[in-house]
Amino acid sequence: QAGLTQPPSMSKDLRQTATLTCTGNSNNVGNQGAGWLQQHQGRPPKPLSYRDNNRPSGISERFSASRSGNTASLTITGLQPEDEADYYCSAWDKSLNAVVFGGGTKLTVL
Amino acid sequence: EVQLVESGGDLVQPGGSLRLSCVASGFIFSNYWMHWVRQVPGKGLEWVSRIDSDGSGTSHADSVKGRFTISRDNAKNTVYLQMNSLRVEDTAVYYCGSVFEYWGQGILVTVSS
Repeated sequence: QAGLTQPPSMSKDLRQTATLTCTGNSNNVGNQGAGWLQQHQGRPPKPLSYRDNNRPSGISERFSASRSGNTASLTITGLQPEDEADYYCSAWDKSLNAVVFGGGTKLTVL
Repeated sequence: EVQLVESGGDLVQPGGSLRLSCVASGFIFSNYWMHWVRQVPGKGLEWVSRIDSDGSGTSHADSVKGRFTISRDNAKNTVYLQMNSLRVEDTAVYYCGSVFEYWGQGILVTVSS
């Protein structure tokens, strides 16, 4: 199954803002929006947002998601050391009848 | 507190079978589609299977179609993954969850001779 496209890595300075992108098509991201997951090494994925900008309880307001057409974005403000992790986007693909994931972006906080 | 607890992972020989279970609590299980997702350590996430909230519809990734079957028992708040004809490339950590809201801790499945 075809996946979503994410840049493999990004580096940002402490306290700066990072914007991660995820590109799909009209059958997935453009149809029902995207979700974002954070994963630290050796830990399970943790949902940060779903259906574009719905944030689960307990998730910091420093994480915000948006979408423009077939591209979803996750913006992390005031970067902290604990934000260093892998970030995956996900979406339901109505054509494939499957969940599709991006390959993940490894965020390094300098 | 939401909890999803997977069990049933093991070391199995190629061609063998395993059944994974995932018990949910802390949310209305019967309202959610449930999924299995796997991850080879150090690699990305791969969607495996999903089942509708009432169990009426399922779908599977091409890589497991015909070998894996997902099912659920809403009375027991449990989702299952029956894995047959296992291959070395099925080795991964398997997660259950709703994908967009809730994830389990994962269970390791190792297929090796």
